[in-house]
Amino acid sequence: DVQLVESGGGLVQPGGSLRLSCAASGFTFSIYSMNWVRQTPGKGLEWLSYITGNSNSIQYADSVRGRFTISRDNAKNSLYLQLSSLRAEDTAVYYCATSNGQLDYWGQGTLVTVSS
Amino acid sequence: DIVMTQSPDSLAVSLGERATINCKSSQSVLYSSNNKNYLAWYQQKPGQPLKLLIYGASIRESGVPDRFSGSGSGTDFTLTISSLQVEDVALYYCQQYYSFPRTFGQGTRVEIK
Repeated sequence: DVQLVESGGGLVQPGGSLRLSCAASGFTFSIYSMNWVRQTPGKGLEWLSYITGNSNSIQYADSVRGRFTISRDNAKNSLYLQLSSLRAEDTAVYYCATSNGQLDYWGQGTLVTVSS
Repeated sequence: DIVMTQSPDSLAVSLGERATINCKSSQSVLYSSNNKNYLAWYQQKPGQPLKLLIYGASIRESGVPDRFSGSGSGTDFTLTISSLQVEDVALYYCQQYYSFPRTFGQGTRVEIK
């Protein structure tokens, strides 16, 4: 079975940094594009970033471009999101999801809280 | 950016009755070269990962009950639950994957009347 497990969330001060991880299993990770999506009560679901299987193509939402960096390590079946210059409005549950155009499988999410 | 607008925000339907959710995109998500609509529907239940229900506007994901169906093309789409079951109480989202940034509707909450 496909499994995606996010980790790395927590409480961080404004301006701080955090690295989220997504451990993948149950499928051939290296051939799948992946995404990060976040969810807040106020803004709903917000797509953040996309990366192809070979990392040759990367996309970002305007709201995070220049602050967040997506990457992957296919040898470790892992996806990452480096969050920096964090703001209160980045407080959300962060999900990783596989991509075949549509978002086929999602993880349970990891909560990031930005607060002093 | 393509704006996705769902209606209604919430609806209450009796068990066994039909539930209909609409999704409108601010521009067409129909790719003319292959005649495919790049529109998906997801279900979210508390404590569970989001689940893909429909992609290509009308293609049911493997394992999804056939009471769920998707229709529409271009800019107007519909998710229909033909006979609402208790386990269908959830939030439902549409999403376009025609272009970046990917965008979602605001969600529709389905409850039992």
